[in-house]
Amino acid sequence: DTAVSQTPKYLVTQMGNDKSIKCEQNLGHDTMYWYKQDSKKFLKIMFSYNNKELIINETVPNRFSPKSPDKAHLNLHINSLELGDSAVYFCASSQVAGLTAYQETQYFGPGTRLLVL
Amino acid sequence: GENVGLHLPTLSVQEGDNSIINCAYSNSASDYFIWYKQESGKGPQFIIDIRSNMDKRQGQRVTVLLNKTVKHLSLQIAATQPGDSAVYFCAETLSGGYNKLIFGAGTRLAVHP
Repeated sequence: DTAVSQTPKYLVTQMGNDKSIKCEQNLGHDTMYWYKQDSKKFLKIMFSYNNKELIINETVPNRFSPKSPDKAHLNLHINSLELGDSAVYFCASSQVAGLTAYQETQYFGPGTRLLVL
Repeated sequence: GENVGLHLPTLSVQEGDNSIINCAYSNSASDYFIWYKQESGKGPQFIIDIRSNMDKRQGQRVTVLLNKTVKHLSLQIAATQPGDSAVYFCAETLSGGYNKLIFGAGTRLAVHP
């Protein structure tokens, strides 16, 4: 059974296009995240939603818009794609958002490899 | 072998040897630390974690050591196997910080038979 799944796995598109990446988790977690991994393998958080509410919004161009229709799904829509958006995008989930004394382990999806031409 | 994981260096070890992967974290207020393993073409996979009230934690073939004085974290893998070949990331976070993980640059572990 896949815990955190993402679609599509690969996405090749032209500059200026709009695209979406979808993420679903079947772990019953309350919190979901989007990370970007660049060509040097550096992983950086972009957004986080706790039970459909945005709680982390890093310095990301407003061409990126996350949407959480329910707590099991977190999608990422990217407008006007640029060459620099080429990266691997990972979705993750955790039990809670870390508002309590202790943090919770994050479980990652397999990634979506985005190539902008 | 040992290496400092700041610029995705490669640590090469022989199968059966012990591996030590090091990480310098950035925020002295961080209180939860995690090691992730990322195999080629896959997402990061949780290996082991440690909270700041501990200085050592052991799992199956893995041990994490935390030195808060010098903001240093290490991952020790005993009897390294070819299946351990991957990129290893340390990550830090802070209680009450909405579980925002700050990742280190990663270290590639290459295990040779």
